[in-house]
Order: sequence, then C-alpha cells, then structure tokens
Amino acid sequence: LAKTTQPISMDSYEGQEVNITCSHNNIATNDYITWYQQFPSQGPRFIIQGYKTKVTNEVASLFIPADRKSSTLSLPRVSLSDTAVYYCLVGEGNQGGKLIFGQGTELSVKP
Amino acid sequence: DVKVTQSSRYLVKRTGEKVFLECVQDMDHENMFWYRQDPGLGLRLIYFSYDVKMKEKGDIPEGYSVSREKKERFSLILESASTNQTSMYLCASSTLGRTDYVEAFFGQGTRLTVV
Repeated sequence: LAKTTQPISMDSYEGQEVNITCSHNNIATNDYITWYQQFPSQGPRFIIQGYKTKVTNEVASLFIPADRKSSTLSLPRVSLSDTAVYYCLVGEGNQGGKLIFGQGTELSVKP
Repeated sequence: DVKVTQSSRYLVKRTGEKVFLECVQDMDHENMFWYRQDPGLGLRLIYFSYDVKMKEKGDIPEGYSVSREKKERFSLILESASTNQTSMYLCASSTLGRTDYVEAFFGQGTRLTVV
C-alpha cells in the first residue's frame, strides 16, 4: 500500500477555497485515491474518490495529475463547519481491501 | 442509510480484564475493520476482515484478537487489558467492488479507559 504524506495542519477563513495536497509517490497502477473527513468525536466519513484527472461532487473536487504521484482535495468556499481532519488514502479503492489512514490534515476555518 | 453500530460509546475496564468490543453493520458488507485513534497518531488499523472467519492483521495487532462468526458482526477482543490500550476504538465496514467506488462507513466509536 502506497504511503501518503499530507500537511499536519492548515488554517483558512470562511468563504475561501481550500486546497489540501497529498503526496503518494509509490502509487500503484490499480490504486485509487480516496479522501475522508472526520469531525471531533465522530468516525470519518467518505468525501470523494478518484483514479485520474478530475472528480467533482456536491462536497468537493479532487484533482489528480497525469503522473498520479500527488492529489489535491479542493473545498470551495469553506465555512466554520468544514473545520475537521481530512485524510488521504491510497489503495485498491474499487476492489475493497485494507484502508490505511495516515495522520491527516487538521483544517481550521476561522470567521 | 448504512448503519455501523458499536455496542458501547464509553467503557471503563480494569487492567487484566478481558474486554469485548462489538460492532454490527446492516448493509451486508464483506469488509469490516477495527481501528484505534490516539491524539497525534491518526487512525491505526488493528485488524481487517474480508469475509466470515477471515481476518488479516493490521499495523498494530499486538494485544488484540478478533472474531467474525457472522457477516454482520465483527468483535475486537482485548485478551488482558492494559493501560496503554486506553483509546478511542472505531469500527468500519465497506463493500467489495460492487460499485464504481468503495466507501467505508464508520461507527461512532467506543472510548475505552483501562484503569
């Protein structure tokens, strides 16, 4: 399973776009990239998953360059309620299997 | 809505006790997971099960065992609880490639204190 590296923490202000980048240099050909969000005292919840190029849903966008060695989670116009820890995972997303979480990025959104 | 239910939200046990943490999911998921979460260390995988009676060790299996006799239930067992096992324990389940993507669903967690 490819190891991931993310910033430990980030600060932002309400209304800004936030981009969190994850590095995964050893990603394998059949690996997918998945992001989870965790609020205090809750379990993580799925945000978005992708394999290449760009994926967008109602919550976020995921940008994956051609070499797939990194990915960027983009949160448009964040609010205070987006304050959470964001985890990047790399693995055989569409086949199930182990889910290995790193330390995550603690995002703090200020008014 | 998928539901992953952990039997206890808070638990206090004594050192040396045998502790059972129970997790039940209602979506017929093949995969189930147990994690522990400690400040500054993120989520660490203890055990993973991909089918009934099948299991794989995660990154930190020492001091733990698991049981999966039925598809919907995955139990984490602390054979002899120690104070360094005081932590938040999270259970999760996920599908096995039946959709375009795989999403894991987590329970609310059990905060275990060993005294």
